[in-house]
Amino acid sequence: DADVTQTPRNRITKTGKRIMLECSQTKGHDRMYWYRQDPGLGLRLIYYSFDVKDINKGEISDGYSVSRQAQAKFSLSLESAIPNQTALYFCATSGGGQRGSYNEQFFGPGTRLTVL
Amino acid sequence: AQSVTQLGSHVSVSEGALVLLRCNYSSSVPPYLFWYVQYPNQGLQLLLKYTSAATLVKGINGFEAEFKKSETSFHLTKPSAHMSDAAEYFCAVSDQGTGGFKTIFGAGTRLFVKA
Repeated sequence: DADVTQTPRNRITKTGKRIMLECSQTKGHDRMYWYRQDPGLGLRLIYYSFDVKDINKGEISDGYSVSRQAQAKFSLSLESAIPNQTALYFCATSGGGQRGSYNEQFFGPGTRLTVL
Repeated sequence: AQSVTQLGSHVSVSEGALVLLRCNYSSSVPPYLFWYVQYPNQGLQLLLKYTSAATLVKGINGFEAEFKKSETSFHLTKPSAHMSDAAEYFCAVSDQGTGGFKTIFGAGTRLFVKA
């Protein structure tokens, strides 16, 4: 089984709809992240959480919200979806260990979201 | 503030040829540096990482990268390209600055391998 899972894998929705993307991990990591990927822009950080009680905005948090329901679960919501939120969304985790290993991130398979 | 610049959004090589993907970084503190690979319809996976030990880092699938502080570079190389290397490659930088271990990704370089 995959260590980091995302649901759904694909979603098509309409402008103005509320959407939730979910992420679960079995790696036991305390840090979780949400990114969006757009062609030519690489990955941009939306939100990150260093533990259940610590949630931080990334560089492009406007229009998004998150919830860290448990150490293993981190969901991303689009309260009112708009077409320019059409993108590939990735969840990632990172944890402790050897120096440097803490920064390594483990990615889910991605959710392709299309907002019409 | 940290940043990463990947030179060339697309690189095309012939099978068996040298692969060179360029990455330059900016960081006010000693960085951690990473290369990630993304195969079609998959998430990113770590190829190799630099964490201030040896400057020449070997990764999976025959890739390696050399940390050059004077050039602020961390270029990725592979002596002989294989068709299975076709993917998108991301350079990333991170450090232990305030706020924790956030990672900044480059825009990516798509590698094409011609038969």
